[in-house]
Amino acid sequence: DGGITQSPKYLFRKEGQNVTLSCEQNLNHDAMYWYRQDPGQGLRLIYYSQIVNDFQKGDIAEGYSVSREKKESFPLTVTSAQKNPTAFYLCASSEDRVGEQYFGPGTRLTVT
Amino acid sequence: QKEVEQDPGPLSVPEGAIVSLNCTYSNSAFQYFMWYRQYSRKGPELLMYTYSSGNKEDGRFTAQVDKSSKYISLFIRDSQPSDSATYLCAMSGWSSNTGKLIFGQGTTLQVKP
Repeated sequence: DGGITQSPKYLFRKEGQNVTLSCEQNLNHDAMYWYRQDPGQGLRLIYYSQIVNDFQKGDIAEGYSVSREKKESFPLTVTSAQKNPTAFYLCASSEDRVGEQYFGPGTRLTVT
Repeated sequence: QKEVEQDPGPLSVPEGAIVSLNCTYSNSAFQYFMWYRQYSRKGPELLMYTYSSGNKEDGRFTAQVDKSSKYISLFIRDSQPSDSATYLCAMSGWSSNTGKLIFGQGTTLQVKP
């Protein structure tokens, strides 16, 4: 089955630690995205990548980093510089940069 | 003012009712319009995708786009308890800020048996 996988589903970390969230897709999509979802705030774009080895900051990139070394993979690192990292993180992909996006199941990160 | 406005609800209807969900937007460059359904603690699922103006129907779901009024709607006929979820509208366009999707806040729908 084609789709997007995110792991783990739940992640717990202590404050001050970096953590990497995994996102893999087998849809052969060029573009991939990371969003953060907080209650009452909708989806906010963190980073996006339209092609391998290239990525751009979204609306709330501070405290986050990404890499795009392979077409199918777009991991997100939440660094200790992110002030409020506890959130639901969603990865998405699309065939091109304006078309419909398909989402993974999400990773719920809790930092204490 | 947000680029996309969506009433967060919650909206509560009895089973079998027709549900109308709406979004308004301000950017005339938007050409691609989507509706997503999101169950609690799950990723959004693409329901409907429409290019430019017009209607699109898929089973119990109908999406309408009125670009002249900058208004999009999603209608759900014969609503079921399994339709209880948050519905997100989203839109993009080639000339709008690198084409990224702009999402509404989401409307929470509850269908009561």
